[in-house]
Amino acid sequence: GIQVEQSPPDLILQEGANSTLRCNFSDSVNNLQWFHQNPWGQLINLFYIPSGTKQNGRLSATTVATERYSLLYISSSQTTDSGVYFCAANNYNQGGKLIFGQGTELSVKP
Amino acid sequence: SQTIHQWPATLVQPVGSPLSLECTVEGTSNPNLYWYRQAAGRGLQLLFYSVGIGQISSEVPQNLSASRPQDRQFILSSKKLLLSDSGFYLCAWSRTSVPDTQYFGPGTRLTVL
Repeated sequence: GIQVEQSPPDLILQEGANSTLRCNFSDSVNNLQWFHQNPWGQLINLFYIPSGTKQNGRLSATTVATERYSLLYISSSQTTDSGVYFCAANNYNQGGKLIFGQGTELSVKP
Repeated sequence: SQTIHQWPATLVQPVGSPLSLECTVEGTSNPNLYWYRQAAGRGLQLLFYSVGIGQISSEVPQNLSASRPQDRQFILSSKKLLLSDSGFYLCAWSRTSVPDTQYFGPGTRLTVL
């Protein structure tokens, strides 16, 4: 099945800095999602992005399906951006099952 | 709009006791439903998924079982909890099997003592 790897595992930023989180996947995908897990554990959908580029405010994501990676960009980071960011993927071989990466834990310092 | 509920939010149970966690979805029909567990650390692991009433697929052999008695209700159960069952349990739904966005509930934090 698909393997999903995220990097870096941990990231510390000063407020206002920009960052890029990376997600590599081992097979072709039909679904690629980015989530933010807040301090209360809630998984918040950021992007559904099996290919292409999307933007939502200070966040944007790009998936290059042919090269099997996705990037999440956070610009002008704020302390409220802190938490764990997950990438998850599936394809027709997996059915509806999302395979999660291990996450990137982001800490934004004031 | 669709919403997903889980209860209880937190639970502390002794080893050997039974478990029942409930997940319900509102605002959609015939959703696909999923149970995930997040143990200490960060990874999420799919435990069960269901494409319809009474249809359950198990991903990992374990001490847990799942049932779907109604279209928008998904229940996670155990007859006898183990210490290793502690973790954060998340329910999710999607409109179709693949590919489609999965939406997660608020989770249940289970501690087995």
